[in-house]
Amino acid sequence: GDSVTQMEGPVTLSEEAFLTINCTYTATGYPSLFWYVQYPGEGLQLLLKATKADDKGSNKGFEATYRKETTSFHLEKGSVQVSDSAVYFCALRNQAGTALIFGKGTTLSVSS
Amino acid sequence: EAGVVQSPRYKIIEKKQPVAFWCNPISGHNTLYWYLQNLGQGPELLIRYENEEAVDDSQLPKDRFSAERLKGVDSTLKIQPAELGDSAVYLCASSPGTGAQFEAFFGQGTRLTVV
Repeated sequence: GDSVTQMEGPVTLSEEAFLTINCTYTATGYPSLFWYVQYPGEGLQLLLKATKADDKGSNKGFEATYRKETTSFHLEKGSVQVSDSAVYFCALRNQAGTALIFGKGTTLSVSS
Repeated sequence: EAGVVQSPRYKIIEKKQPVAFWCNPISGHNTLYWYLQNLGQGPELLIRYENEEAVDDSQLPKDRFSAERLKGVDSTLKIQPAELGDSAVYLCASSPGTGAQFEAFFGQGTRLTVV
């Protein structure tokens, strides 16, 4: 079945460091891909999305490119801030729209 | 525009007691999800509604869990009786459409503690 695998955390970085969180997926057809962020005590918020191959989603300095050839959707940010500390979830919605599947989440901790 | 509203935010109950969670989705969103999120894990689908119809309840433990979405708007999720292992965050989400391109919008969740 469809699935999402993301890198284990926690990821600990200093402010202004470069961030990469890896995400790969397994799905038939052409799913849409999402990154959600969950701040402490909050629900999940959509960070960015890409709906077709080679699309780049971007928001708040974060970027991810939908790579069908490698079935990946890695999250990147050039310079992280303390306020980026949160849990990040990679997710896919299958082509039929009938399933929204999440990875296990990666905790990011940024120190000043 | 108001987001997805869930209540209560927190609930502590003794095992074997019943508990219910309520969700009000974003207006006009026909798709509604209930997810379970265990500590340190990603959300796992319990049930998905299209309007008032439960179209995917394959992961809902039907011996103790039930859900309803009357009139295709608000939804309630019930556990009876609760067990210690049900302690988790219960998330409700809604989506404006069924296509792959539509994201889900999440409420803040209900944190359940069973003692």
